[in-house]
Amino acid sequence: GQNIDQPTEMTATEGAIVQINCTYQTSGFNGLFWYQQHAGEAPTFLSYNVLDGLEEKGRFSSFLSRSKGYSYLLLKELQMKDSASYLCAPLDSNYQLIWGAGTKLIIKP
Amino acid sequence: IAGITQAPTSQILAAGRRMTLRCTQDMRHNAMYWYRQDLGLGLRLIHYSNTAGTTGKGEVPDGYSVSRANTDDFPLTLASAVPSQTSVYFCASSDQGELHNEQFFGPGTRLTVL
Repeated sequence: GQNIDQPTEMTATEGAIVQINCTYQTSGFNGLFWYQQHAGEAPTFLSYNVLDGLEEKGRFSSFLSRSKGYSYLLLKELQMKDSASYLCAPLDSNYQLIWGAGTKLIIKP
Repeated sequence: IAGITQAPTSQILAAGRRMTLRCTQDMRHNAMYWYRQDLGLGLRLIHYSNTAGTTGKGEVPDGYSVSRANTDDFPLTLASAVPSQTSVYFCASSDQGELHNEQFFGPGTRLTVL
């Protein structure tokens, strides 16, 4: 079967660094997406990894290990506006996104 | 402004009524999707369309139907609404010719079935 596992909720302090982990099992694999979703809003694209390694984009970085079925999203210099849910979504062999339930990130001053 | 629009923004519906959620994109994307999102669950795919004139069933298609008469529009119909269809519905689109098939989402429709 297909399965995505990520923590339900995490709390971090403004200015700090946080790592959100995701493990996945899918039928085939064509890359992995991370999306951000603020409460009451639509998901928005953050990153895409298809090869092993780290992709850096400003304060956000995403890592992928295909052999381990593992990815993480790293957020640096946390700001209050980073309070949101972060969705891990691998792309399966049919090019369909398989969505995790998301990690709710709470930023405290 | 390029993007995806959905209508209505929210709706309260009596059980048994028929309802069509509208979705329109102007990015000329070939693929479109309908998801529902419920508290504590991930986005679940209802139906999708890889190109105009074709549709496919997702993870939770029962009670829903779609059509794709042209590239821009992808309406979702609930033939006879039931309370378990209370949810937030998101429409999305992507250009499957692009390297990573990023999906762009509409603002969502919040549907309550009583």
